[in-house]
Amino acid sequence: GAVVSQHPSWVICKSGTSVKIECRSLDFQATTMFWYRQFPKQSLMLMATSNEGSKATYEQGVEKDKFLINHASLTLSTLTVTSAHPEDSSFYICSASLRLGLRTDTQYFGPGTRLTVL
Amino acid sequence: GENVEQHPSTLSVQEGDSAVIKCTYSDSASNYFPWYKQELGKRPQLIIDIRSNVGEKKDQRIAVTLNKTAKHFSLHITETQPEDSAVYFCAASMEYGNKLVFGAGTILRVKS
Repeated sequence: GAVVSQHPSWVICKSGTSVKIECRSLDFQATTMFWYRQFPKQSLMLMATSNEGSKATYEQGVEKDKFLINHASLTLSTLTVTSAHPEDSSFYICSASLRLGLRTDTQYFGPGTRLTVL
Repeated sequence: GENVEQHPSTLSVQEGDSAVIKCTYSDSASNYFPWYKQELGKRPQLIIDIRSNVGEKKDQRIAVTLNKTAKHFSLHITETQPEDSAVYFCAASMEYGNKLVFGAGTILRVKS
């Protein structure tokens, strides 16, 4: 159980275009989803936290107008990289967690999306 | 905010030996500490976690210890095998809100 999928697994796009990445929890309802970015040989950096039906909370330094997050249902969150530039090239990973009462359970990670902007 | 430091950045051990990775955290309110294993190009996989109401947890060859007073926790892998080679990340969070702050990672190489 607790499977998270991401689509696409990799994408190459031209500079200036927008790219949408989907994150789905396949066998559980995720009250919270998280979006991370990971540069080569570096750690995971949290970009934003999204709760179903509400606006995402962005980490300091992350442009909300550039990285649009929509969490339309308890099983789907999307990240749209708008007007992508080469410096946005990275490994984007989502995770999902299930809240049990006041506790939140473990974060389960998606397989990641490799974005390359030419 | 929370800050997690992880050491060492790389660790090479001989197959069969033990490996220890240490992390320290800054926010005394943190009370959930997971460890993830990530192979190249793949998703982080939870290998063990510990909550602040216990000092140690073990799962076969893997154990985690937590010292709340000193604000540090450690991952112990015994009888290492080549398939243990990967990048290991520690993380810390306050359960309510569940925002994980990750350490920088440790590259573990198990030599056969």
